[in-house]
Amino acid sequence: DVQLVESGGGLVQPGGSLRLSCAASGFTFGNYWMNWFRQAPGKGLEWVANIKQDASEKHSVDSVKGRFTLSRDNAKNSLYLQMNSLRAEDTAVYYCARGETYSRYWGQGTLVIVSS
Amino acid sequence: EIVLTQSPGTLSLSPGERATLSCRASQSVTSSYLAWYQQKPGQAPRLLIYGASNRATGIPDRFSGSGSGTDFTLTISRLEPEDFAVYYCQQYGSSPPYTFGPGTKVDIK
Repeated sequence: DVQLVESGGGLVQPGGSLRLSCAASGFTFGNYWMNWFRQAPGKGLEWVANIKQDASEKHSVDSVKGRFTLSRDNAKNSLYLQMNSLRAEDTAVYYCARGETYSRYWGQGTLVIVSS
Repeated sequence: EIVLTQSPGTLSLSPGERATLSCRASQSVTSSYLAWYQQKPGQAPRLLIYGASNRATGIPDRFSGSGSGTDFTLTISRLEPEDFAVYYCQQYGSSPPYTFGPGTKVDIK
């Protein structure tokens, strides 16, 4: 079975940094694009970023450009989201998901709270 | 960036009734690259439909998608108790960002 497990969320002050991880299992991780989505408390879904199989292409929403960095380690079946200069509006549940655009397989999410 | 609008915001129906959810795009969605998701409280979204009308694996046939261009519809032919949830459309036809609509909540009348 495909499994995606996010970790690394928590409470951080505005301007701080967090690194989210996503551990993948049940499929050949290196064969797939991967997405990050997020959902602010009580709000809708937002696509955040994606990364190609070999990390040669990455795309992200304008609001995180220059602050968030995607990476992956295919040998460790892991996806990462380095989040710097965090803002209150980055508060959300962050989901990793398999796929380039839409996603059938999602993790359960990790909560990031940006607050002083 | 393509902006998606969903209507109605809330749909109050009874089990067994038909639900019709609308998703409208601010510009034409390339190749009908539109997906629908269902989300229940505390859960990750569940993919229902991709390519506007293709059911994802394991999705019951009471769920159907249709539309093209700027107007898309998700229909649930007969609501089951487990179908009461929030539904989101997502377009992925243009270059990123792959935007979502604000959602339609289907609740029990």
